[in-house]
Amino acid sequence: QVQLVQSGAEVKKPGASLKVSCKASGYTFSNYGLIWVRQAPGQGLEWMGWISAYSHDTNYAQKFKDRVTITTDTSTTSAYLEMRSLKSDDSAVYYCARDSIHGGNPFPDYWGQGTLVTVSS
Amino acid sequence: DIQMTQSPSSLSASVGDRVTITCRASQSISTYVNWFQQKPGKPPKLLIFAASSLLSGVPSRFSGSGSGTDFTLTITSLQPEDFATYHCQQSFSTPYNFGQGTKLEIK
Repeated sequence: QVQLVQSGAEVKKPGASLKVSCKASGYTFSNYGLIWVRQAPGQGLEWMGWISAYSHDTNYAQKFKDRVTITTDTSTTSAYLEMRSLKSDDSAVYYCARDSIHGGNPFPDYWGQGTLVTVSS
Repeated sequence: DIQMTQSPSSLSASVGDRVTITCRASQSISTYVNWFQQKPGKPPKLLIFAASSLLSGVPSRFSGSGSGTDFTLTITSLQPEDFATYHCQQSFSTPYNFGQGTKLEIK
């Protein structure tokens, strides 16, 4: 069965960097893309970016273009989210999700359990 | 960027009721809309993709419709496990923004 397992909760100081991992299993990793979405406490979902596990092409929301890097490692079937210069309003739960496509319509069908990131001095 | 405006932001209903949640896109997006259910402390769960295609395993009381700018998620005969927050998402152009969510509560 498809599973995405994320790394554990993190506490960071403002200005620090973060790296969250997402280990995929149960499907052919390179056949799908992966996305990262975050959710601040009590807030909605925010799409951060996408990566093709096949070509490593990426697409980022403009808001995150300068601070975020999404990568994949095919040998370990893992995806990574790196974020630099953390601020307090980056405190959120970060999710990875597998990106499927049907009839040209992309949709995230399997999600990781989420990683809670707290940014505080 | 395409904005998704979801309404209502919260909704009270009873078991057995029929409810409708609406999402409006800031520009025409054909049928590039997905719907998710989220329960507290859990990741979102995909219900419907491409505006009206029900994901395998999702109960048939859930349905989606719409095209262009206006979309609806309908739940017929609410069950206790349906009380959750629902999110729409456009997948027409990046960033694939979500609506702000609709919290469905028990009346």
